[in-house]
Amino acid sequence: GQNIDQPTEMTATEGAIVQINCTYQTSGFNGLFWYQQHAGEAPTFLSYNVLDGLEEKGRFSSFLSRSKGYSYLLLKELQMKDSASYLCAVRDGGNTPLVFGKGTRLSVIA
Amino acid sequence: GAVVSQHPSWVICKSGTSVKIECRSLDFQATTMFWYRQFPKQSLMLMATSNEGSKATYEQGVEKDKFLINHASLTLSTLTVTSAHPEDSSFYICSARDGREYSNQPQHFGDGTRLSIL
Repeated sequence: GQNIDQPTEMTATEGAIVQINCTYQTSGFNGLFWYQQHAGEAPTFLSYNVLDGLEEKGRFSSFLSRSKGYSYLLLKELQMKDSASYLCAVRDGGNTPLVFGKGTRLSVIA
Repeated sequence: GAVVSQHPSWVICKSGTSVKIECRSLDFQATTMFWYRQFPKQSLMLMATSNEGSKATYEQGVEKDKFLINHASLTLSTLTVTSAHPEDSSFYICSARDGREYSNQPQHFGDGTRLSIL
């Protein structure tokens, strides 16, 4: 079966760095995606990893280790607007839909 | 970039009403679209995969006679919640991926439809 785990909630301070972890067990693997979702809105795409290593995109970076079934999303220089849910999702086949974790609700405090 | 338009954004209606939600890919062709449902503080749960010109594939536990999906063209899929009841109240989100793109491209999401059944 498919299983994607991430922490339910995290709190971090404005200006700080936070790392959101995701572990997965899926029947196949064809990429891992991170999405941001603000309350009541649709998810927006943040990053994609298919090979091991770190992908950096501005304040956001994402890391993947396929052998460990592990990824993390790193958010730097946190801003209040970064308060949202962060969803880890895996594609296990060529044209299969993304399977989502339950999301991590991040609260950024002053 | 790829845009997915979903309509309506909000629906409030009485129990027993049928509600149709439209999902359009505005600047790309989507042979496949996906319908998700999200309850408060929970993640997105895939309901069904909508394929242009053929029957939708439903996930286990999703009633195909209650959630009717029609994918009549390469840019439009509709989800009809038939005889909706309060337990069907949820946030419904459609998603699509450009059929021409390689697998490293993300699924693009519509803005979602918040359905409230009284």
